[in-house]
Amino acid sequence: GAVVSQHPSRVICKSGTSVKIECRSLDFQATTMFWYRQFPKQSLMLMATSNEGSKATYEQGVEKDKFLINHASLTLSTLTVTSAHPEDSSFYICSASEVETQYFGPGTRLLVL
Amino acid sequence: TQLLEQSPQFLSIQEGENLTVYCNSSSVFSSLQWYRQEPGEGPVLLVTVVTGGEVKKLKRLTFQFGDARKDSSLHITAAQPGDTGLYLCAGAGNNDMRFGAGTRLTVKP
Repeated sequence: GAVVSQHPSRVICKSGTSVKIECRSLDFQATTMFWYRQFPKQSLMLMATSNEGSKATYEQGVEKDKFLINHASLTLSTLTVTSAHPEDSSFYICSASEVETQYFGPGTRLLVL
Repeated sequence: TQLLEQSPQFLSIQEGENLTVYCNSSSVFSSLQWYRQEPGEGPVLLVTVVTGGEVKKLKRLTFQFGDARKDSSLHITAAQPGDTGLYLCAGAGNNDMRFGAGTRLTVKP
């Protein structure tokens, strides 16, 4: 099946710094990628839909200036958590869509101190 | 608004028991996927069902897509501790995909 990678797998940062997470589709091109957030023992919460060459579409309640998304190519989308705070600590997962099926990355564990 | 309702939300069973997880919606989907997620990892695709009434088997897992393509079920026979995880269904349609809240399965040895 299709493979999606994420980098880094885990990151610890100080409050107030910005963190960039990369999502890559390794063996297929993805015009659409998705970013999710997941709290412990809960399901996935869709944050935004990343569209190659255009602005991302954010879900209600997700601050677009806080979570910057850039989908510069058909294989790469980045999520930047700006001015991170401890409440931003979470598991962030991306996925890329191929023929109505989403393939997920392994996730990025973010811990903001 | 959760477009897909999964039940049960939590399930704890003994090794060897059978179980069924349900995924229901009032919407029609062009396809439906089931994923399993283990702690600290991303969801892994188990199966995609496309045709109403379709049944797919993956070893001890049996997936069924409802005739009207609004619901699906996942049946596990003789569950094993390795089946423990979060099971998610996701429906595709109208150029988007929505996930159910998930069923957290624990299989005790």
